[in-house]
Amino acid sequence: EDQVTQSPEALRLQEGESSSLNCSYTVSGLRGLFWYRQDPGKGPEFLFTLYSAGEEKEKERLKATLTKKESFLHITAPKPEDSATYLCAVHDFNKFYFGSGTKLNVKP
Amino acid sequence: DAGVIQSPRHEVTEMGQEVTLRCKPISGHDYLFWYRQTMMRGLELLIYFNNNVPIDDSGMPEDRFSAKMPNASFSTLKIQPSEPRDSAVYFCASSSTLSSTEAFFGQGTRLTVV
Repeated sequence: EDQVTQSPEALRLQEGESSSLNCSYTVSGLRGLFWYRQDPGKGPEFLFTLYSAGEEKEKERLKATLTKKESFLHITAPKPEDSATYLCAVHDFNKFYFGSGTKLNVKP
Repeated sequence: DAGVIQSPRHEVTEMGQEVTLRCKPISGHDYLFWYRQTMMRGLELLIYFNNNVPIDDSGMPEDRFSAKMPNASFSTLKIQPSEPRDSAVYFCASSSTLSSTEAFFGQGTRLTVV
């Protein structure tokens, strides 16, 4: 049973075209939900941690939100340099689960 | 700080050989994580340490895998004997606390077992 599901698997946007990535989870004891960015050939880079439903965090063109069942990563007016794979992970008791990621491609 | 340092960056070995991957966490970080990433299975947590003590190794796939952390500045992940299905990118990450887990990842070791 998948604990973390990300959608879509891939997303192509034009520069400036805002959109959202989804991360749904089924863990029972959420201690934190994390968003990472991963560029090809590199390790994931931490973006945000969310702890409770209703929480929101922003960083430049990115905004992460959390409900009891899912999280969204909103990308406003993306630029080509935002192209990367975005990973979602959840901390459930002593376990960590990663989603398979959304590969974002922003065309100029 | 130079960040999390992993070595080697690339490793090619023959099936049956022993492989040792190395990691130097960020100074002052109490938590160290070993992950494996493949196209098929994505990013999987293998084991993590707190203050050099293994806390959860339930992600270690088989007895062929072992991890140690002899001190706060060094950890190893060993595979003996290696098999082609172990081919993956192995990441080490460290963080200051578990609850926030703002983990910093190393560049990874790309392992190819032929």
